[in-house]
Amino acid sequence: QVQLQESGPGLVKPSETLSLTCTVSGGSVSSGSYYWSWIRQPPGKGLEWIGYIYYSGSTNYNPSLKSRVTISVDTSKNQFSLKLSSVTAADTAVYYCARVSYDYHGHYYFDYWGQGTLVTVSS
Amino acid sequence: EIVMTQSPATLSVSPGERATLSCRASQSVSSNLAWYQQKPGQAPRLLIYGASTRATGIPARFSGSGSGTEFTLTISSLQSEDFAVYYCQQYNNWPPLFTFGPGTKVDIK
Repeated sequence: QVQLQESGPGLVKPSETLSLTCTVSGGSVSSGSYYWSWIRQPPGKGLEWIGYIYYSGSTNYNPSLKSRVTISVDTSKNQFSLKLSSVTAADTAVYYCARVSYDYHGHYYFDYWGQGTLVTVSS
Repeated sequence: EIVMTQSPATLSVSPGERATLSCRASQSVSSNLAWYQQKPGQAPRLLIYGASTRATGIPARFSGSGSGTEFTLTISSLQSEDFAVYYCQQYNNWPPLFTFGPGTKVDIK
């Protein structure tokens, strides 16, 4: 059973960089069959896709966040990470990591999710 | 940019009744659509992908249909555990970019 677990500071100051790590167990980030993604959800609001990474290191980001986002992968630790720079209160959200699967029809979907971690941006 | 809308925002249904949730894309996404269920304090759970394929372990009372710009999630007979928020999600282009709809809350009538 694949499990994902987010970790990182729960409080970040405005203008600083938010850093989170997702540890994967029961599966490998080195698998060429999946992408690994970050998604966030402001309190009481909907879901926003942030970006994803492939084991090779190739990435794709939400255009609205692209200038501030970096996603990286550490295959030796079976982890992938998120960095979001120049944060403001609008970046306060529950951050989820998730696995992206796809089928032979080319349908992509988020099939496994971490439990989520709340990050608050405040001085 | 493809914009997703969902209707209604809130759907009040009695247990045992049928619930029909709608999702619309601002331009065609073919069958590149998924549905998720989210309960308070929990991560979303995948229900449907490819517009109509149920994910592993999802009960048969959940069904998805549609293609292009109009999609529907139907819950044939609502159980108590089905009261939640439901999100649709599309992806397009290569490499894929993902967008979620704003959600429909299904609550008890």
